Amino acid sequence: QVQLQESGPGLVKPSETLSLTCTVSGGSISTYYWSWIRQPPGKGLEWIGYISYSGTTNYNPSLKSRVTMSVDTSKNQFSLRLTSVTAADTAVYYCAREIIVTTGTKFDPWGQGTLVTVSS
Amino acid sequence: AIQMTQSPSSLSASVGDRVTITCRASQGIRNDLGWYQQKPGKAPQLLIYAASSLESGVPSRFSGSGSGTDFSLTISSLQPEDFATYYCLQDYNYPRTFGQGTKLEIK
Repeated sequence: QVQLQESGPGLVKPSETLSLTCTVSGGSISTYYWSWIRQPPGKGLEWIGYISYSGTTNYNPSLKSRVTMSVDTSKNQFSLRLTSVTAADTAVYYCAREIIVTTGTKFDPWGQGTLVTVSS
Repeated sequence: AIQMTQSPSSLSASVGDRVTITCRASQGIRNDLGWYQQKPGKAPQLLIYAASSLESGVPSRFSGSGSGTDFSLTISSLQPEDFATYYCLQDYNYPRTFGQGTKLEIK
């Protein structure tokens, strides 16, 4: 059973770069799309983007200028970098697998989420 | 980006009630819609994909319907563990977009 786990600093200073890694266990990263989704405290969900095992990316236009995703298939990990953060980037960050099948699309599973606070 | 509008934003109901949550897309999305349940402090979990396909392991009291722009999630008989926040998500195109959520509370 595939499991995802986010890791990274819980506190980032304004104007600096947020960096998170998602480790995939119980299965190979070498298929499907691997996504980042965030949720500000008490608010709704925002899709940040995805990366494929081959490195193909697709970012949300609202964040595109600040986002970079990368993948390390040897470690079964993928990563998120978000530059020039502000307090508005404070959120729980989730990684999730996106599966596109003939009948539809699923985001499953999800990591447990990690809270990143932007504050000096 | 496609806008997804959920209603209501909150809902109070009792155990055993039948409840329906709706989601409207700003343009037609065929049946490219999923429903997710989120409990406090937890990650969202997939309930329904392709508008009406029940994910494996999800109780049959959950059902989804709709196509085009209008969709609904119905819980036929609320159980205590169903009190949570529900989100729709369009997967018709990118960027993927979520509804704002419907918080289902105990009356």
